[in-house]
Amino acid sequence: GAVVSQHPSRVICKSGTSVKIECRSLDFQATTMFWYRQFPKKSLMLMATSNEGSKATYEQGVEKDKFLINHASLTLSTLTVTSAHPEDSSFYICSARPGTSGRAGSPDTQYFGPGTRLTVL
Amino acid sequence: GESVGLHLPTLSVQEGDNSIINCAYSNSASDYFIWYKQESGKGPQFIIDIRSNMDKRQGQRVTVLLNKTVKHLSLQIAATQPGDSAVYFCAETRGGGNKLVFGAGTILRVKS
Repeated sequence: GAVVSQHPSRVICKSGTSVKIECRSLDFQATTMFWYRQFPKKSLMLMATSNEGSKATYEQGVEKDKFLINHASLTLSTLTVTSAHPEDSSFYICSARPGTSGRAGSPDTQYFGPGTRLTVL
Repeated sequence: GESVGLHLPTLSVQEGDNSIINCAYSNSASDYFIWYKQESGKGPQFIIDIRSNMDKRQGQRVTVLLNKTVKHLSLQIAATQPGDSAVYFCAETRGGGNKLVFGAGTILRVKS
């Protein structure tokens, strides 16, 4: 149990275009999803927290107009990188938290997707 | 500020030996801790967790120890295998919906 998927796993785009990344909890409902960014050989940097049906909460320094987050259902959150530039190239990872005890384990545990490698040319 | 850090950035062990990965945390209000394993190009994988009302928890080949007195967390891997080679992160949070704070990560290399 507690499987999280991301799509696409890898994307290459031209500078100025927008890219959408999907995050799905496959076997549990996620009241909260998180989006992280990770640079090579570095730890995960939280970008934003997304609660189903409400606006995302962004971390300090993260541009909400550039990184649009939509959490439309209890199993799906999307991150759209708008007008992408080479400096946005990174490994983007989502996680999902069950919010309640059950098959997916502790309500406080975050389960991570496999990540999306974004390369902006 | 609050932080979660690791004592050793890289750990090399011989296959079959036991591995111990350490983590220090500074937020005494944290009450939930998780160890994650991340292989190259993949997302972090949940290994084991522990709540602050415990000082030890065992899983399959892994044990997490929590010492709240010195704010120290460790992950022990028994009979380390080549497939255990990865980056290991500790993470801490206060329960009730708060965000995770990740440590810097330790690279575990298993020599055959």
